[in-house]
Amino acid sequence: KQEVTQIPAALSVPEGENLVLNCSFTDSAIYNLQWFRQDPGKGLTSLLLIQSSQREQTSGRLNASLDKSSGRSTLYIAASQPGDSATYLCAVSKIQGAQKLVFGQGTRLTINP
Amino acid sequence: DAGITQSPRHKVTETGTPVTLRCHQTENHRYMYWYRQDPGHGLRLIHYSYGVKDTDKGEVSDGYSVSRSKTEDFLLTLESATSSQTSVYFCAISGRVLVTGELFFGEGSRLTVL
Repeated sequence: KQEVTQIPAALSVPEGENLVLNCSFTDSAIYNLQWFRQDPGKGLTSLLLIQSSQREQTSGRLNASLDKSSGRSTLYIAASQPGDSATYLCAVSKIQGAQKLVFGQGTRLTINP
Repeated sequence: DAGITQSPRHKVTETGTPVTLRCHQTENHRYMYWYRQDPGHGLRLIHYSYGVKDTDKGEVSDGYSVSRSKTEDFLLTLESATSSQTSVYFCAISGRVLVTGELFFGEGSRLTVL
């Protein structure tokens, strides 16, 4: 059974710092990995999606990498801002088609002005 | 905006009563999903649909049923609600861009079972 772990569970950093969020998964036979952002009381917003054949994806100040063989992904946030404060979730899917995602429990990120 | 609407957004009900949550999409995605989110458990898949009248179970399907009579609507029913079903329920959609499998989520429905 696939298990996804995110460490740390919570992180607080001053504004302007570059930071890395970690995600690990136990079964390397994945189809894709997705990073989401969730603001309090809101739904999930897709940030980046990495196909299993890819090594990284970038969107603005965000960069996600994937090392499928070691079962790890990192989300790098450059020049953090208070507006980046949210919970960040990673999730993996095993097959194409119906995306039965397995989620980690998230990292709650606080950026202090 | 991924064009997903969940209703109701908040509901309080009593143990033993039936409850139906509705998910409506305007994006013509093939796949629709119901997840629940609980502290300590994260998000877990309840049921999903891969087409009209085509559904399958997820990880935590006991006590829930679903129906999809139209492409745009996916209903989640709790036949007899229990306190353990107090949760935030999220609908998600995917499949318009089949290759990537990117998921889009609704805003959630908070259900409290007293």
